[in-house]
Amino acid sequence: DAGVIQSPRHEVTEMGQEVTLRCKPISGHDYLFWYRQTMMRGLELLIYFNNNVPIDDSGMPEDRFSAKMPNASFSTLKIQPSEPRDSAVYFCASTLRPDYEQYFGPGTRLTVT
Amino acid sequence: AQTVTQSQPEMSVQEAETVTLSCTYDTSESNYYLFWYKQPPSRQMILVIRQEAYKQQNATENRFSVNFQKAAKSFSLKISDSQLGDTAMYFCAFMKPGSNYKLTFGKGTLLTVNP
Repeated sequence: DAGVIQSPRHEVTEMGQEVTLRCKPISGHDYLFWYRQTMMRGLELLIYFNNNVPIDDSGMPEDRFSAKMPNASFSTLKIQPSEPRDSAVYFCASTLRPDYEQYFGPGTRLTVT
Repeated sequence: AQTVTQSQPEMSVQEAETVTLSCTYDTSESNYYLFWYKQPPSRQMILVIRQEAYKQQNATENRFSVNFQKAAKSFSLKISDSQLGDTAMYFCAFMKPGSNYKLTFGKGTLLTVNP
């Protein structure tokens, strides 16, 4: 298996623009997690899905952030409008057993100018 | 709310030596899971080791082992025979099983292995 795939790897955008981050989980994994990593706040869980259904979105910072999982092999995290403070590395992770290993993707480094 | 504290922002060790990374956590739960994840310069997070709180035996994975002290809420990682490829950020993480599979991470320790 290719592992968790994220695209793009790097994204640079201007404040106010819409940004869409994409994730393809490992086939067969029915849990999918979105994390954000910043120097100030470290790694934070934003939202996670089970069987394509959002289970906990309490970590989503505000209404500008939204996440969807239209099917078992694809998820998106959208920021609209983007702000400089959204600059971070965004990770997607998937797993079959969430109390065991979560398999992380390579992350998307987002820079909002 | 659970908190995870890694008190050593940076550490260094000579190749082939042993190093211990510290982690403490705060929880009122009796059953939980603890993890150490490694983030090398490639940025990808990789699980190093996992410990179940109800198991008294310390987890080991090859050169990696933990010292789990439940009463002290301490979960340190020992790396033996350090290798250059061990250079990475190491994150300690806590999970309370059950209704919410949320991983709470510490701020990390940057470990540098010197030749």
